[in-house]
Amino acid sequence: DQQVKQNSPSLSVQEGRISILNCDYTNSMFDYFLWYKKYPAEGPTFLISISSIKDKNEDGRFTVFLNKSAKHLSLHIVPSQPGDSAVYFCAASAPGIKAAGNKLTFGGGTRVLVKP
Amino acid sequence: GAVVSQHPSRVICKSGTSVKIECRSLDFQATTMFWYRQFPKQSLMLMATSNEGSKATYEQGVEKDKFLINHASLTLSTLTVTSAHPEDSSFYICSARVAAGAHTDTQYFGPGTRLTVL
Repeated sequence: DQQVKQNSPSLSVQEGRISILNCDYTNSMFDYFLWYKKYPAEGPTFLISISSIKDKNEDGRFTVFLNKSAKHLSLHIVPSQPGDSAVYFCAASAPGIKAAGNKLTFGGGTRVLVKP
Repeated sequence: GAVVSQHPSRVICKSGTSVKIECRSLDFQATTMFWYRQFPKQSLMLMATSNEGSKATYEQGVEKDKFLINHASLTLSTLTVTSAHPEDSSFYICSARVAAGAHTDTQYFGPGTRLTVL
């Protein structure tokens, strides 16, 4: 049972345009969400996070939107740059639930290609 | 800030030998560290959660006697793959959770260790 899903395995976007990555989750206990960027043979790099008490968080070119009722979050990157080409993972956790052990549940990833 | 290192970055060993991978939080204290494994073109699979000074909690299906985890201090956790076999070849990644402060719910990842068992 995949609790966090990224339904688009890949995304291609022109440099300067907006990249929109989507993520859906099923576990209503999740209340903290993160986006990571990953290059091949490297560890994931933390990009941005959002708590369930918010519906938007912005950091530079990255904005994460959370729709709790739809159990959906998205990452917007604008403007997209060639260096943004990587695999992006969304992740969710339930930090307030002791039994969850602060574990992150990852989506399957979306490969983004930004064309010059 | 929030830098996590792993050593070695790459290791090749013979079948039957043991390999130790170190994970260090360089500029923060981590009460909890996590060990993941990633297969080609797949997402990260959590293997175990390591809490400083206590036994690790392993995910279902992960052999605790094969993947020994030690979290001796707030900045160091080690994963030892014992009696390694070719099917243990994978990319192993650790992460660390900040002990206190504004980002305690965020995990910061190390660069990963590529293990190849011949």
